[in-house]
Amino acid sequence: GAVVSQHPSWVICKSGTSVKIECRSLDFQATTMFWYRQFPKQSLMLMATSNEGSKATYEQGVEKDKFLINHASLTLSTLTVTSAHPEDSSFYICSASPGIYRNTIYFGEGSWLTVV
Amino acid sequence: QKEVEQDPGPLSVPEGAIVSLNCTYSNSAFQYFMWYRQYSRKGPELLMYTYSSGNKEDGRFTAQVDKSSKYISLFIRDSQPSDSATYLCAMNSGNTPLVFGKGTRLSVIA
Repeated sequence: GAVVSQHPSWVICKSGTSVKIECRSLDFQATTMFWYRQFPKQSLMLMATSNEGSKATYEQGVEKDKFLINHASLTLSTLTVTSAHPEDSSFYICSASPGIYRNTIYFGEGSWLTVV
Repeated sequence: QKEVEQDPGPLSVPEGAIVSLNCTYSNSAFQYFMWYRQYSRKGPELLMYTYSSGNKEDGRFTAQVDKSSKYISLFIRDSQPSDSATYLCAMNSGNTPLVFGKGTRLSVIA
């Protein structure tokens, strides 16, 4: 099946610093990429949708200035958590879709962020 | 009523059992239905993808969609300990974000 790679898998950072997470589609061009956040034993919470070459669409309640998303190419999207705080510690997962329709979505392996 | 309802479990079954996982939904516009498997601390893995009503089989897994009842199921035959994971249903109407169930935690005991 399609492969979506996410990096890093684990990251620990100090409070106040910024962290960048990369999401790559390895064997298809991803017109649309999604970023999710997941708390322990809870379902996925969609944070934002990004389309290649345009600004990301953020879900209600997600701070766009804190969670910067860039989708500069058809195979790469990045999520930057700016001025991270301990409450930003979470499991962040990206997903990618090969078409303009938001189905047949493949997920990355996820990135565990711990802010200390 | 939530858009997608899924029993969170946990569901514990003996090895070899047939497992039935279910979701109900309220939005009649949903046409695309997916089941994902998520192991602890990993990203979800697409298991089954179904369009509209009907059945789809892949190895030990069978997905069923009943749009008239707004009910979808995933059956796992001859369950194995390696099937122990959280199973998430997801669905959308095509050009809208996926809506996920909360996931059902399954444990298959050897």
